[in-house]
Amino acid sequence: AQTVTQSQPEMSVQEAETVTLSCTYDTSESDYYLFWYKQPPSRQMILVIRQEAYKQQNATENRFSVNFQKAAKSFSLKISDSQLGDAAMYFCAYRRRETSGSRLTFGEGTQLTVNP
Amino acid sequence: GAGVSQSPRYKVAKRGRDVALRCDSISGHVTLYWYRQTLGQGSEVLTYSQSDAQRDKSGRPSGRFSAERPERSVSTLKIQRTEQGDSAVYLCASSPRGDNTGELFFGEGSRLTVL
Repeated sequence: AQTVTQSQPEMSVQEAETVTLSCTYDTSESDYYLFWYKQPPSRQMILVIRQEAYKQQNATENRFSVNFQKAAKSFSLKISDSQLGDAAMYFCAYRRRETSGSRLTFGEGTQLTVNP
Repeated sequence: GAGVSQSPRYKVAKRGRDVALRCDSISGHVTLYWYRQTLGQGSEVLTYSQSDAQRDKSGRPSGRFSAERPERSVSTLKIQRTEQGDSAVYLCASSPRGDNTGELFFGEGSRLTVL
């Protein structure tokens, strides 16, 4: 079974600074997706960034980037120039690549606080 | 277009009562998932269904939890004989036909409190 582990229940960062959220996972599959989702107090999970396992290049989306280490099964999220609106719960997630029906497996989440 | 919407956003139920939670997914999405989110156990998939199945394909089979698909873009999660341990946020998610990005699209969740 696949598992996802986020070892940091809480993190804080000063506005405009950079923060890195950690995530490790365990799987025997070779083809899969990894995601970081953001969940603000409104509760809707919003996709921040995704990575396909077969791609060696780390994904980036504006101020968000990942450090994907496939051999180490590590997938950290870096947020640059942190903004107050980045404050939320962040979930790392794994999904096996299938045509349909495979579920997302989530980590426990990291609560990010951004201090003004 | 509209995203995934769930109703009700908040539900309070007396222990032992049945509860139904509704999810309206995005038009054209074929697979619907129900997740339960709690502080202690994180987010776990309860059930999912694909467009050709009206009934659920269970993630964690439980006689008290079931999902029905009365319409292609609608799913109803039914919880029978609720228990206090069922108090949680229930998230609905969907994925499109083809599903070549792997992304699931989530609703805002329904918070259930069982007294």
